[in-house]
Amino acid sequence: EDQVTQSPEALRLQEGESSSLNCSYTVSGLRGLFWYRQDPGKGPEFLFTLYSAGEEKEKERLKATLTKKESFLHITAPKPEDSATYLCAVQSWAGGTSYGKLTFGQGTILTVHP
Amino acid sequence: GAVVSQHPSRVICKSGTSVKIECRSLDFQATTMFWYRQFPKKSLMLMATSNEGSKATYEQGVEKDKFLINHASLTLSTLTVTSAHPEDSSFYICSARPVQGSGSTEAFFGQGTRLTVV
Repeated sequence: EDQVTQSPEALRLQEGESSSLNCSYTVSGLRGLFWYRQDPGKGPEFLFTLYSAGEEKEKERLKATLTKKESFLHITAPKPEDSATYLCAVQSWAGGTSYGKLTFGQGTILTVHP
Repeated sequence: GAVVSQHPSRVICKSGTSVKIECRSLDFQATTMFWYRQFPKKSLMLMATSNEGSKATYEQGVEKDKFLINHASLTLSTLTVTSAHPEDSSFYICSARPVQGSGSTEAFFGQGTRLTVV
């Protein structure tokens, strides 16, 4: 069974204070690892997909990296508008009716203070 | 990115009534759609996988007679919460993936539906 664990559960930063969020996973054949941002009362917003160890992707102040066991979401010089819950999810190569199924971690609640 | 529309965004219903939630992929076709439930400050828990033209696959512990799923077309799936009770109050979110073989792996999410049963 696929498992995803995110740490820390909550992270409070000052504006401009860079940090990283961790996502550890176990999966029977990784098809993709996904990062989402979720604002209160909203559905998750897609950020990145990573497919293989060593891969990196960037978007504005965010950079996602992947190893064989974990992924990091690095936040450089965060701003208050980056405050949200960040979700990590994995997808395995299972097909059939399980195609596309995502297993989510519990999320990291990020708060950036001005 | 692709757009998934979920309706309604909020609904309040009386205990014992049924509520239908719609999930539409607006600019792509989705053979498979997923329904999640999210409790306050918790992550998304998959309830069921909705397959166009066939029966939904429910996760362990999810009552299929309680949560009826219909995937009538490649752009529409519905979740009906039957005989709703206060414990069914939650945030329900759908997601859709482009058809298998399209090369796209991302899942796109609707904006969620806040169900309150009084």
